[in-house]
Amino acid sequence: AQTVTQSQPEMSVQEAETVTLSCTYDTSESDYYLFWYKQPPSRQMILVIRQEAYKQQNATENRFSVNFQKAAKSFSLKISDSQLGDAAMYFCALSGAGSYQLTFGKGTKLSVIP
Amino acid sequence: DSGVTQTPKHLITATGQRVTLRCSPRSGDLSVYWYQQSLDQGLQFLIQYYNGEERAKGNILERFSAQQFPDLHSELNLSSLELGDSALYFCASSVGTSGEDWETQYFGPGTRLLVL
Repeated sequence: AQTVTQSQPEMSVQEAETVTLSCTYDTSESDYYLFWYKQPPSRQMILVIRQEAYKQQNATENRFSVNFQKAAKSFSLKISDSQLGDAAMYFCALSGAGSYQLTFGKGTKLSVIP
Repeated sequence: DSGVTQTPKHLITATGQRVTLRCSPRSGDLSVYWYQQSLDQGLQFLIQYYNGEERAKGNILERFSAQQFPDLHSELNLSSLELGDSALYFCASSVGTSGEDWETQYFGPGTRLLVL
C-alpha cells in the first residue's frame, strides 16, 4: 500500500517571500511518480509540478521547485517569490508504476499575506 | 483549462436516487480516472479505465459503477444515494501509454453532488 503524509495542515507566507511545504511518502514500488497539485477556492485541481523517481535531478517549474530525497522518501515543494494567487490547498500525490492511481496526502492550506 | 470536461457542475438530489456524472478526457488521452473528495475522507481514488476497459478499482462502493465508451468519454453512475455520498467528484485523464508525461493526470473541474 502507498501512503502520503503532509504534516503541515496550514502554513502562511508573506508576499514575495519563500515557503516550503513538506511531504513524506511510503511505497514498495521501485518506479513511481510524485506530484504536487494546487486546489484554489474554485476547487479545480491544478498540476503544479511532477517528479519521476528514477531521475535524481529535482524538478523545477518557474517559481516552483522540489527537493526530492529518495532515500528519506521526502518530496517538499518550494515556492519562491510568493504571490497572492498562490494561496490555495496544496496536495502531494504519489502514483506507482504498477497502478497509476494517485494516492493523496491530506493537504496543506497555504495563505499568502500581503 | 486542463482540457478535461465534466458535466454537470452541480447536482442536487434526494436520498435513494440515482445520478450519472459525465467526463470527457483530453484529446488523445486513453486513461480516465474517477476520484471522490469529501471532508472526512479526503481525495480517494474510485476507478480507472483505459481505452474502454476497467484497469484498476479503489474504494468504490458497490452502489457505484462506471464505464468508458468507444469515444473515450466516461460516466460514473451513483445509485441508492445516501447523505454521505455528498462530495466533489473529479474525473482525471492521462495519455496512459508511452511517451513524455504519459502518466500525469489532468483533472476536470469536478461535479459537486449534494444529497438531501
